[in-house]
Amino acid sequence: GQQLNQSPQSMFIQEGEDVSMNCTSSSIFNTWLWYKQDPGEGPVLLIALYKAGELTSNGRLTAQFGITRKDSFLNISASIPSDVGIYFCAGQLTGNQFYFGTGTSLTVIP
Amino acid sequence: DTGVSQNPRHKITKRGQNVTFRCDPISEHNRLYWYRQTLGQGPEFLTYFQNEAQLEKSRLLSDRFSAERPKGSFSTLEIQRTEQGDSAMYLCASSSRYGLNTEAFFGQGTRLTVV
Repeated sequence: GQQLNQSPQSMFIQEGEDVSMNCTSSSIFNTWLWYKQDPGEGPVLLIALYKAGELTSNGRLTAQFGITRKDSFLNISASIPSDVGIYFCAGQLTGNQFYFGTGTSLTVIP
Repeated sequence: DTGVSQNPRHKITKRGQNVTFRCDPISEHNRLYWYRQTLGQGPEFLTYFQNEAQLEKSRLLSDRFSAERPKGSFSTLEIQRTEQGDSAMYLCASSSRYGLNTEAFFGQGTRLTVV
């Protein structure tokens, strides 16, 4: 299957700092989705991207669909303790399955 | 709209037993996905339905796994003769293709432990 690599694998930041993470693929995608997952729960959709170059915001979150269609970026501004969790990217090409990244674990230190 | 619902939330079973999980998608979503997630990994695709038709299966879905969506609404995932390696979180997601919008929403998952 498709391999999506996320970096960094984990982050430890101070509350109030901004966070950047990215996701790269060996293949192109038509859709990029970003999810947050808390322990023992299902992933929760944060942002959806549908066009190369698209920049979309959801509150303190901003995500971009890379122009090569092989990557995507997620930024979180002014982090707060409830931002703690694992962030996954997911790519979709043909309208069928979504391929998930390896995840970025975020820890926010108050 | 109550979101995607999965039952049970947790299941502990003895090796060799059969288990069945249920997923109720968001109403009117025509696409339904099953994923499996092990600790520290991202979700891995198992299978996907569009309405009642099962359109795609992963090679992860061995012959011990079967999924159905008989009326294009809820879906079941059955694992026969469970093995310890089947222990994982089983996630269901649904989406509705509306224009370019193919957002997939997940349920809370079913945590399977095979002992």
